[in-house]
Amino acid sequence: AQSVTQLGSHVSVSEGALVLLRCNYSSSVPPYLFWYVQYPNQGLQLLLKYTSAATLVKGINGFEAEFKKSETSFHLTKPSAHMSDAAEYFCAVRPYQAGTALIFGKGTTLSVSS
Amino acid sequence: NAGVTQTPKFRVLKTGQSMTLLCAQDMNHEYMYWYRQDPGMGLRLIHYSVGEGTTAKGEVPDGYNVSRLKKQNFLLGLESAAPSQTSVYFCASSLDGNYGYTFGSGTRLTVV
Repeated sequence: AQSVTQLGSHVSVSEGALVLLRCNYSSSVPPYLFWYVQYPNQGLQLLLKYTSAATLVKGINGFEAEFKKSETSFHLTKPSAHMSDAAEYFCAVRPYQAGTALIFGKGTTLSVSS
Repeated sequence: NAGVTQTPKFRVLKTGQSMTLLCAQDMNHEYMYWYRQDPGMGLRLIHYSVGEGTTAKGEVPDGYNVSRLKKQNFLLGLESAAPSQTSVYFCASSLDGNYGYTFGSGTRLTVV
């Protein structure tokens, strides 16, 4: 069965520092991978997605992620954190079986301090 | 330009009571989903639908039922609420299941 593992339930950075949120997936076939962001008391918003085109995917708000098949990873990065980036981030994988649903990781809470 | 609308936004139930959560989307999406979110657990799939009149079980379906009588609506029912069903419930929809989902803003349910 496919799954995603997010390393670190909490990540704290200073404003202006690099943001790195880790996601590893398990899949026997090339997956579709996603990052979502959830701000307090809101639903999830799509940040970016990998669908087997370019391995470096750019998303909204300056975030990007790189698909590395050899490492089965899809880490999310942003060069310079902003206070408004404080939120919970979820990595997700779409199973290769048709007609199924996204499988989400347990989430990583990002805190940004001034 | 509503997207996915969930009603109600908040609800408190007593153990044993029943209720229905409504999800409505105006994007003509085929696929709809119900997830629950609990601290430290991420989002777990309850039920989903790949088209009008179809439903399927997800990871945690016990204690819930769903119906998709109209393409734009996906209903989640709790027949006899239990404290373990205290959670935040999210509905989502997708055009074809391959790409990103559009999420509603959630329903916060407390069962006492």
